[in-house]
Amino acid sequence: GENVEQHPSTLSVQEGDSAVIKCTYSDSASNYFPWYKQELGKGPQLIIDIRSNVGEKKDQRIAVTLNKTAKHFSLHITETQPEDSAVYFCAASKGNTPLVFGKGTRLSVIA
Amino acid sequence: KAGVTQTPRYLIKTRGQQVTLSCSPISGHRSVSWYQQTPGQGLQFLFEYFSETQRNKGNFPGRFSGRQFSNSRSEMNVSTLELGDSALYLCASKLAGNAGTDTQYFGPGTRLTVL
Repeated sequence: GENVEQHPSTLSVQEGDSAVIKCTYSDSASNYFPWYKQELGKGPQLIIDIRSNVGEKKDQRIAVTLNKTAKHFSLHITETQPEDSAVYFCAASKGNTPLVFGKGTRLSVIA
Repeated sequence: KAGVTQTPRYLIKTRGQQVTLSCSPISGHRSVSWYQQTPGQGLQFLFEYFSETQRNKGNFPGRFSGRQFSNSRSEMNVSTLELGDSALYLCASKLAGNAGTDTQYFGPGTRLTVL
């Protein structure tokens, strides 16, 4: 089955700097890659997703890139703010199979 | 549109007891999935229900079960609770149909503590 690896597990950046989180997946048939942000005491919230027919997608300060050949995708957050501090999860799926999640990255933005 | 709601938000049980958790999906969503989240194992898929039928099942023992009602609301049940069942149980819903890549939205979770 699908396996998703996520790095790094923790990341600290200065406010205003960029943050990059990377994920690799094992099943070349996977075609949907969402990113979720989870704040303390809350459920994961979708922040951006990408489908395999697209190489890059942006939404304001957040962007995701997908390299199908290498089977990896990355989350880029620019101009980080303290409110970006949270745990971020990547995931992958195909068809109607369940999402398989990475182990998460704890991002700390230092003011 | 209201989001995914889960009840109760917090629950404390003792070993050997059973528990039922409830999830109401976003209006119009027909698929409901359940996940267990623990610090050590992360987010692990339990099962998915679509149109009252279990469509996918994760690798959990038979003590974990679920069901979905005609209004798409779902319940999951854990029998004979063990200490290791302490976790955040998350429910997620999506439209899905046949478009497997529909966006999935999560509820706030139910924090279960087993003593």
